[in-house]
Amino acid sequence: DQQVKQNSPSLSVQEGRISILNCDYTNSMFDYFLWYKKYPAEGPTFLISISSIKDKNEDGRFTVFLNKSAKHLSLHIVPSQPGDSAVYFCAASAGWGTASKLTFGTGTRLQVTL
Amino acid sequence: DTAVSQTPKYLVTQMGNDKSIKCEQNLGHDTMYWYKQDSKKFLKIMFSYNNKELIINETVPNRFSPKSPDKAHLNLHINSLELGDSAVYFCASSQDADSGNTIYFGEGSWLTVV
Repeated sequence: DQQVKQNSPSLSVQEGRISILNCDYTNSMFDYFLWYKKYPAEGPTFLISISSIKDKNEDGRFTVFLNKSAKHLSLHIVPSQPGDSAVYFCAASAGWGTASKLTFGTGTRLQVTL
Repeated sequence: DTAVSQTPKYLVTQMGNDKSIKCEQNLGHDTMYWYKQDSKKFLKIMFSYNNKELIINETVPNRFSPKSPDKAHLNLHINSLELGDSAVYFCASSQDADSGNTIYFGEGSWLTVV
């Protein structure tokens, strides 16, 4: 049972435009969400997170939006840069204090073209 | 200076063999993990250790035996390797198991069983 879903396996965006990566979840107990970025042959690296008490969190070019009623979150990258080309994993956990129980999506490969 | 390092990065071995993957973190974290990313790209937790004690064991076959000699190391030993064990194995660490922040991943170990 896939509790965290990233239905788009890949996305191509032109440099300078907005990249929007989507993530849906089914477990209503999830209340902490993270995005990880992964380059080839490297481990995932933390990008940005949001807890369920917020609906938006921004960090530079990266903004995560959370719609709890729709059990949906999205990562916006504005403006997109070629160095953003990577696989992006959405992850969720039940409770702020449960780093040890993250559930990951299958990832979306973002390609930023010139 | 790599924060979470794991060796070997690539491993090709025959069915039935026993192999180990080593992991070390220099972040002073209390909690370490092993994740498995299978051919379908699912990234799933296998084990979690907090201060050398096992706290999560996610229905992993007992052919997989993690060992934590100290809180900076978490090694993964796999007995009687099977074809289905072929995957990328990621070691990771976090400040502690209750931390709501970042899990830091190693670069991954690509295991191919032939």
